[in-house]
Amino acid sequence: DVKVTQSSRYLVKRTGEKVFLECVQDMDHENMFWYRQDPGLGLRLIYFSYDVKMKEKGDIPEGYSVSREKKERFSLILESASTNQTSMYLCASSSGVHEQFFGPGTRLTVL
Amino acid sequence: RKEVEQDPGPFNVPEGATVAFNCTYSNSASQSFFWYRQDCRKEPKLLMSVYSSGNEDGRFTAQLNRASQYISLLIRDSKLSDSATYLCVVNVNAGNNRKLIWGLGTSLAVNP
Repeated sequence: DVKVTQSSRYLVKRTGEKVFLECVQDMDHENMFWYRQDPGLGLRLIYFSYDVKMKEKGDIPEGYSVSREKKERFSLILESASTNQTSMYLCASSSGVHEQFFGPGTRLTVL
Repeated sequence: RKEVEQDPGPFNVPEGATVAFNCTYSNSASQSFFWYRQDCRKEPKLLMSVYSSGNEDGRFTAQLNRASQYISLLIRDSKLSDSATYLCVVNVNAGNNRKLIWGLGTSLAVNP
């Protein structure tokens, strides 16, 4: 069974903290994605990676960075968390033109 | 104009009803199309891809109209378990799915 896992389901952080969200997939997919999902705004792409050590900005990269040191792992970093980064964060992976498989999501609250 | 537009609903239908959703897209160069389903507080999951000739999977039928730039999803004999948000997704890149354009979703509630 295909699997994308995310390090936390719920996370509460304070403004200014550095936050790491981890995503691991076991399908040997070359593509990995980080989205955030907010009511009324839908799914918005933050960053994606199509190979190890490769990354590309999505639609809303400001305030975020990413790291992909291994094929199976894609990390999202909030260098200095702010309250407007409170959101549901979804990681996904895919191969070629095939479907994107999503992790269960991390609901991040920044106080 | 949004790149992908959907009626947010909610659509409230009784069990057994037939319901249809439409989704319009603005980029005429769009390559491929999908419907994803998202249950409350869960991640999106692929429901079906949409092919030019139309395709059917059990009670679900998807259609593509390139001339009018819309895709549709028809659900027949609705079940309670069909209650979810249905996301229309468009891929504008040939050869990969690195940049998908997501609609905001249409909410469906199937009532007993």
